[in-house]
Amino acid sequence: EAGVAQSPRYKIIEKRQSVAFWCNPISGHATLYWYQQILGQGPKLLIQFQNNGVVDDSQLPKDRFSAERLKGVDSTLKIQPAKLEDSAVYLCASSSQGVGYTFGSGTRLTVV
Amino acid sequence: GQQLNQSPQSMFIQEGEDVSMNCTSSSIFNTWLWYKQEPGEGPVLLIALYKAGELTSNGRLTAQFGITRKDSFLNISASIPSDVGIYFCAGHEKTSYDKVIFGPGTSLSVIP
Repeated sequence: EAGVAQSPRYKIIEKRQSVAFWCNPISGHATLYWYQQILGQGPKLLIQFQNNGVVDDSQLPKDRFSAERLKGVDSTLKIQPAKLEDSAVYLCASSSQGVGYTFGSGTRLTVV
Repeated sequence: GQQLNQSPQSMFIQEGEDVSMNCTSSSIFNTWLWYKQEPGEGPVLLIALYKAGELTSNGRLTAQFGITRKDSFLNISASIPSDVGIYFCAGHEKTSYDKVIFGPGTSLSVIP
């Protein structure tokens, strides 16, 4: 089966600019996750969707981050405006039930 | 909130040596997961453990779900250069939705 697709792979922006990331999960996977992974740390959950509804966004900085999952399939994560501390790898993952996520390769964001 | 601790933080070993790393939590989990992440890629699931005391192997990897349900360990036997990467433990709990928390990772370097 095809894996989780993410784009772009790399993005460099200036602070205060906006950026968007895209994720296409594995077909049929109801649950989609966005994680932020800062260099040298483990992934931190930003938002979790079940189909197209949000089940956990407790760690999403909602003043600047937003995410949507249209029709319960693809998802986009947006940062507006970006700060230097947003530099990280943004990982998307999906699962059909519970455990055993499949991760995408991530988008590496550098804010300068 | 829940936190996972992993030790050691990093390891440098000779090819052929065995490796042991562990993960502890401040709270109980229903499932323990071990992931490996290579540079530029997302984490890949290695082993999932579903009940206390469970011992599971995947090739040269062996992992155990601690009796207290607050810890887990991962052993790698006869390490090879391709074992290089960052190993993350993750704890899963089932509430109204599936929640997974990642540890900070153990970085493994194998010297040929």
